[in-house]
Order: sequence, then structure tokens, then C-alpha cells
Amino acid sequence: DAGVTQSPTHLIKTRGQQVTLRCSPKSGHDTVSWYQQALGQGPQFIFQYYEEEERQRGNFPDRFSGHQFPNYSSELNVNALLLGDSALYLCASSLQGAGSNQPQHFGDGTRLSIL
Amino acid sequence: ILNVEQSPQSLHVQEGDSTNFTCSFPSSNFYALHWYRWETAKSPEALFVMTLNGDEKKKGRISATLNTKEGYSYLYIKGSQPEDSATYLCAFVNNFNKFYFGSGTKLNVKP
Repeated sequence: DAGVTQSPTHLIKTRGQQVTLRCSPKSGHDTVSWYQQALGQGPQFIFQYYEEEERQRGNFPDRFSGHQFPNYSSELNVNALLLGDSALYLCASSLQGAGSNQPQHFGDGTRLSIL
Repeated sequence: ILNVEQSPQSLHVQEGDSTNFTCSFPSSNFYALHWYRWETAKSPEALFVMTLNGDEKKKGRISATLNTKEGYSYLYIKGSQPEDSATYLCAFVNNFNKFYFGSGTKLNVKP
């Protein structure tokens, strides 16, 4: 039973570039959430996807966008990268039919460094 | 701005000590409170999800309580072991399905 997988594990980009991060949810899960974790802080909610639509969004600019595919996998895209986008990006999956009273299962994250 | 506060920020205890830490959150628009354990070089692992005021959950030596009216949850670890060393995160979930994580409590258990 595969857990949440994220790719790539590490990524180095320069300011102004664009990046795409990928996530495959745990088998049987239909909802994917993305988080940004800067050093010394807790994960910050970016957005959540369910049924291929963005259901909720945190306080992130439009440079952050996403997509969910019919197989429930998801992508996080960030345009016009800034130095402040350097962080660990976590993906979490859950079974939305039961609501947010179900635990989230996290991937190992993608470490994004902006030079 | 919605604040979820965790205290203390870090904690050093000896093996065998019992310990507890706090998660404070808004008392309005409450839907659920999650606790996660995050060990170094691993992904966060769910410990508990609590939804009702007065909820108490237990998993082995770890337990948690919830007070939604005053907006706090306690996590207790009885007889700490070195393998309990991790960062413990709480997450407040509001009625709009948004998750708000605290910054975590980093626990170090010395053998």
C-alpha cells in the first residue's frame, strides 16, 4: 500500500523561474493538500484539491497554482520564483468524503531552494 | 490573521519523565484539532484527530485532551523514551476546511 509520494526530493531554481512539484496521494485517498514550511515555522496551508477542483486556499498569491488529475495526483506550480519561496513543500492526502476529521497522510516533501 | 500557538517551543527531558505541551487556537468556527508527530528525516505522522469538546484520545503512552470552548488542547507523554524525540505539531481546522498549523514543540528525550 503506497503512501504519499512527492517528486522531486530536492530542487534548485533561480529567481524568476517557474517550478512544478508533483504528488501522488496514498492509495484510496481522493483529496490532496499542499503546504509550505519555511525554516522555524509550522506548515502553511497553500490550497486543497478535491474532485479536480481547488476547494480551499490559504493566503498565498496567484503565483501559486495547482492542478488535480483524474487519478487524484496533483501538481503545485509556482511562477516568478522569489528568494522567499525557498522552503520545504509538503503534500498531504486524505479521504474527503469523511471530512477534515480524518487524519492527513504526508509525503516526505520537496526541498526547493531559490538562488 | 488566525493564530495557532504551541508552547513550549522546545523541551528537553530525561528518559522516564512525563511531559506535556499546549496548543492554543481560536474558539470560534472550530471543526477539528489534529496532532502530528514529525521525526527528523521523516514525514509528519498523524497521532490524533479530535472534534468534540472534552474529547480525550490515547495511543500507548501518548494522550491528548481538547477544550474547544476555551481554545486549547494538551498533549501528554507518559514515561518519555528517546524514540519520542520529535517535533509535535497541532493543526486547527475551521468550518471552511482550512488547516492552520502551529510552529510545533520540539521534544528531545535524553537517555
